[in-house]
Amino acid sequence: EAGVTQFPSHSVIEKGQTVTLRCDPISGHDNLYWYRRVMGKEIKFLLHFVKESKQDESGMPNNRFLAERTGGTYSTLKVQPAELEDSGVYFCASSQDLTGVEAFFGQGTRLTVV
Amino acid sequence: AQSVTQLDSQVPVFEEAPVELRCNYSSSVSVYLFWYVQYPNQGLQLLLKYLSGSTLVKGINGFEAEFNKSQTSFHLRKPSVHISDTAEYFCAVSSWGGGSNYKLTFGKGTLLTVNP
Repeated sequence: EAGVTQFPSHSVIEKGQTVTLRCDPISGHDNLYWYRRVMGKEIKFLLHFVKESKQDESGMPNNRFLAERTGGTYSTLKVQPAELEDSGVYFCASSQDLTGVEAFFGQGTRLTVV
Repeated sequence: AQSVTQLDSQVPVFEEAPVELRCNYSSSVSVYLFWYVQYPNQGLQLLLKYLSGSTLVKGINGFEAEFNKSQTSFHLRKPSVHISDTAEYFCAVSSWGGGSNYKLTFGKGTLLTVNP
């Protein structure tokens, strides 16, 4: 069984550009989460989808971040325009149940904004 | 609100020595507790979790953790570490009730380096 897959693994972009991160959850997992780790800080929750609906987006830092989950399958996280402070590792996780006690994480996308 | 404190950012140890990685949490509601590990160039992997029941939880790779409600701690231990245990370890908590919704709150991580 395939795990959670994230694309790309690394991305280096200039300030002001747009970047789209993609996450493919484990098949059949209705719950999908995005987290971010800024260098030197803790991993922080961004948002939670249940199928195609946003259950909780309280962690999204500002309106430059847009997350979507088309048809309740894969999800994208777009940053537009990117700022230097957006640099970090973006993790995606999926789980079958709402409690997330069996959440499986992807390898992360390392985003560097220069 | 909930928070997690990992008291040590780095822990160097020699191979075959015991190790304890400390984690304290705060939450006003019921919690689940987790330890995740991130090996170099890999994603986060669940080591073990506490949901309820026995306070001593055993995980993969010989790790175990003990939930102490009175001290709000969930320290991770291994009696004898191996070089391959070199990784970053994250303690995390999720809670429910009072408007919480199971999202994970992580500590800052502890980098365990096992030296020969």
